[in-house]
Amino acid sequence: SYELTQPPSVSVSPGQTASVTCSGDKLGDKYVHWYQQKPGQSPVLVIYQDNKRPSGIPERFSGSNSGNTATLTISGTQPMDEADYFCQAWDSSTAIFGGGTKLTVL
Amino acid sequence: EVHLVESGGGLVKRGDSLRLSCAASGFTFSSFSMNWVRQAPGKGLEWVSTISASTGTYIYYADSLRGRFTISRDNSKNSLYLQMNSLSAEDTAVYFCARGPEGSGLSVFDYWGQGALVTVSS
Repeated sequence: SYELTQPPSVSVSPGQTASVTCSGDKLGDKYVHWYQQKPGQSPVLVIYQDNKRPSGIPERFSGSNSGNTATLTISGTQPMDEADYFCQAWDSSTAIFGGGTKLTVL
Repeated sequence: EVHLVESGGGLVKRGDSLRLSCAASGFTFSSFSMNWVRQAPGKGLEWVSTISASTGTYIYYADSLRGRFTISRDNSKNSLYLQMNSLSAEDTAVYFCARGPEGSGLSVFDYWGQGALVTVSS
């Protein structure tokens, strides 16, 4: 079965750039979506179709997808960005989520 | 404003059945595919099921759940349902209702409800 692999944790200093990766076989051939989840809250879509931002999502969030890796990039990371981030794609009519990455801003 | 509200969660015993509901508002419910996604305590997100828009012609399930769970929709009530049978401790999770794209495509989950907690005791 298809798998998406994310690093369990990423740390970044405030104001710096954070990169969260998501790896899967030929992932660049699929659309990847990214969700942010803060403790006790529901997931929020932050990037869809590899690099599109929903309305209301700050411009500091961006995405890319090529080869076997998709990347969520947060430029000028703020303390409020501390959260779990999940990538998601579809394979054979099955939605696949990555295991999630805990982003710590310190 | 899109609003999704789950209900029907609770504490049940192993082997019991439970039906979750999701009330939708703020958009034309019948035009959008709908989904269930669950999250076990302290774990990641796990897709459960998807139903296409309108008559729900296309239905998809996670392989591990097919046969025990049934997704359905009632467009006249702007509601999505998940019938869960033969529940086990491994089904303990928060169950989220999430909106998909218009029509029958498989794509992004753009709005999520607050979730309903299902706890299965042994």
